[in-house]
Amino acid sequence: DQQVKQNSPSLSVQEGRISILNCDYTNSMFDYFLWYKKYPAEGPTFLISISSIKDKNEDGRFTVFLNKSAKHLSLHIVPSQPGDSAVYFCAATMQGAQKLVFGQGTRLTINP
Amino acid sequence: ETGVTQSPTHLIKTRGQQVTLRCSSQSGHNTVSWYQQALGQGPQFIFQYYREEENGRGNFPPRFSGLQFPNYSSELNVNALELDDSALYLCASSFLFGEETQYFGPGTRLLVL
Repeated sequence: DQQVKQNSPSLSVQEGRISILNCDYTNSMFDYFLWYKKYPAEGPTFLISISSIKDKNEDGRFTVFLNKSAKHLSLHIVPSQPGDSAVYFCAATMQGAQKLVFGQGTRLTINP
Repeated sequence: ETGVTQSPTHLIKTRGQQVTLRCSSQSGHNTVSWYQQALGQGPQFIFQYYREEENGRGNFPPRFSGLQFPNYSSELNVNALELDDSALYLCASSFLFGEETQYFGPGTRLLVL
């Protein structure tokens, strides 16, 4: 039972353009969502998060949008840079819960 | 501030053996979680430790066990290794119990032959 899904295994974007990574979830009890970035041979690095009481959160070039009615969130990266090339994981949890539930990841490649 | 560290980085075992993986939490963090990441998948929650006790467990059999020490470092033990246990094992720590954001170490790559 895949409660968090990232349906695009890979995405290729030109440097300087916007990257949009998508994530869907099925469990309506999830109320906190996170994005992590992972380089090869490293652990996931926390990028940005959003609580279900908000529909948008920004941090520099990164913005996360949450659509609770559609059970969908997205990560926007503007402008995209070569160093953004990595695997991006969406994760969901219930506030105060112990575990993060991860999607399968999307490999983002930024082309010069 | 020291981040989450894990040892060893790589390990090769044979089926039926036992393995112990180690983790040092980020400075000041009192909660540690362990995840298994199979190739091409997202990390899957194994369990979490707080105040040296297991507090929450994912869908993993009892042969996966853990410890948390007073200095908040942690161990993951896996008995009777199976081929499917081959994966990247990630340790993550949180500043407070119940905090949603977890900070991950680099992982231990385990290969079971």
